[in-house]
Amino acid sequence: EDQVTQSPEALRLQEGESSSLNCSYTVSGLRGLFWYRQDPGKGPEFLFTLYSAGEEKEKERLKATLTKKESFLHITAPKPEDSATYLCAVHRYTGTASKLTFGTGTRLQVTL
Amino acid sequence: DAGVTQSPTHLIKTRGQQVTLRCSPKSGHDTVSWYQQALGQGPQFIFQYYEEEERQRGNFPDRFSGHQFPNYSSELNVNALLLGDSALYLCASSSTTGEGYTFGSGTRLTVV
Repeated sequence: EDQVTQSPEALRLQEGESSSLNCSYTVSGLRGLFWYRQDPGKGPEFLFTLYSAGEEKEKERLKATLTKKESFLHITAPKPEDSATYLCAVHRYTGTASKLTFGTGTRLQVTL
Repeated sequence: DAGVTQSPTHLIKTRGQQVTLRCSPKSGHDTVSWYQQALGQGPQFIFQYYEEEERQRGNFPDRFSGHQFPNYSSELNVNALLLGDSALYLCASSSTTGEGYTFGSGTRLTVV
């Protein structure tokens, strides 16, 4: 069974204080690893898809990396507007369909 | 270009009642997946519809059922509601020719 574990559960940073979020996974036949941002009461907003070990993608203050067992979301010089829950998910085909299996997320709070 | 549209946004039901949630996929997407997200948890896969058929189901009882229409829109039905069914229900659309999943803003269901 696919498993996704995210750490830490919650993270509080001061504005400008860089850090990394971790996503470790176990999946058979990974098609891709997704990162989403979710604001309270809203649906997940797509950030990145990573397909193979060694791949990196960047968007503004965010950079996602992938190894064979983990993915990291690096946040450089965060701002208060980066406060949200960050979800990672593994994508797998099941023969007849495809599905995402999510972790429980990391709640990020960035303060002034 | 409209994204994924879900209705209603909020709903309050009584235990034992039935509920229907609706989803219109993103333009160009032909596959719809439904997820349940309890408070503080990651989204859990309910099922996926493609070509008007259920293609894959997660670990949810038969009280959860769905339908996909010829225009690719979808409904999620839940019968005999339990207090534990209270959650944010998310619809995600995708295309068989692509890898991306786009989520709607969700329907917040409260069972009292």
